[in-house]
Amino acid sequence: KNQVEQSPQSLIILEGKNCTLQCNYTVSPFSNLRWYKQDTGRGPVSLTIMTFSENTKSNGRYTATLDADTKQSSLHITASQLSDSASYICVVRGNQGGKLIFGQGTELSVKP
Amino acid sequence: GAVVSQHPSWVICKSGTSVKIECRSLDFQATTMFWYRQFPKQSLMLMATSNEGSKATYEQGVEKDKFLINHASLTLSTLTVTSAHPEDSSFYICSARDSGRTDTQYFGPGTRLTVL
Repeated sequence: KNQVEQSPQSLIILEGKNCTLQCNYTVSPFSNLRWYKQDTGRGPVSLTIMTFSENTKSNGRYTATLDADTKQSSLHITASQLSDSASYICVVRGNQGGKLIFGQGTELSVKP
Repeated sequence: GAVVSQHPSWVICKSGTSVKIECRSLDFQATTMFWYRQFPKQSLMLMATSNEGSKATYEQGVEKDKFLINHASLTLSTLTVTSAHPEDSSFYICSARDSGRTDTQYFGPGTRLTVL
């Protein structure tokens, strides 16, 4: 069964600190992996998208990594801000034009 | 960047009434749009795939007669929740795939439906 598992389920960090969120997937075939940020009561906003051949991609303070061999991805957030408090969702597309498979998300809370 | 809008952003209705939610792609054409439902503390669940000019494809367990989808143009899809009940209260999110870039998918801001 194609699955996307994220950890931790929730995370609390202090403002200014770094953190890393994990995503493991069993989706095969694999087309691409995306990280989304979803604020409470809003739709998901894309942070990064990586294909099989990409190992890392950055978007400002967000850096995503991908190891297609071990089927693992991480999202690193640098110098966290209060506005980073949100749910971060790992999403995998199994094949070109196929459905998106969503992880359960990691709920990040950044405290002052 | 590409923008997808939803209207309304929130709606409260009485049990038994029908509610229509609109999803528009504002600066691109979307042959395919998707409708998701999200309950609190849970991830998005795909309800149906909407293709312009043809019938929508519903996921297993989603009642097509209850959740009517119309995708009449390349920039507009509508979801109508018919005879809504309290258990239909949820956050409904649409997503649109750019016809010119088939691997892109943009999400709308969501519609909060509360059925009393």
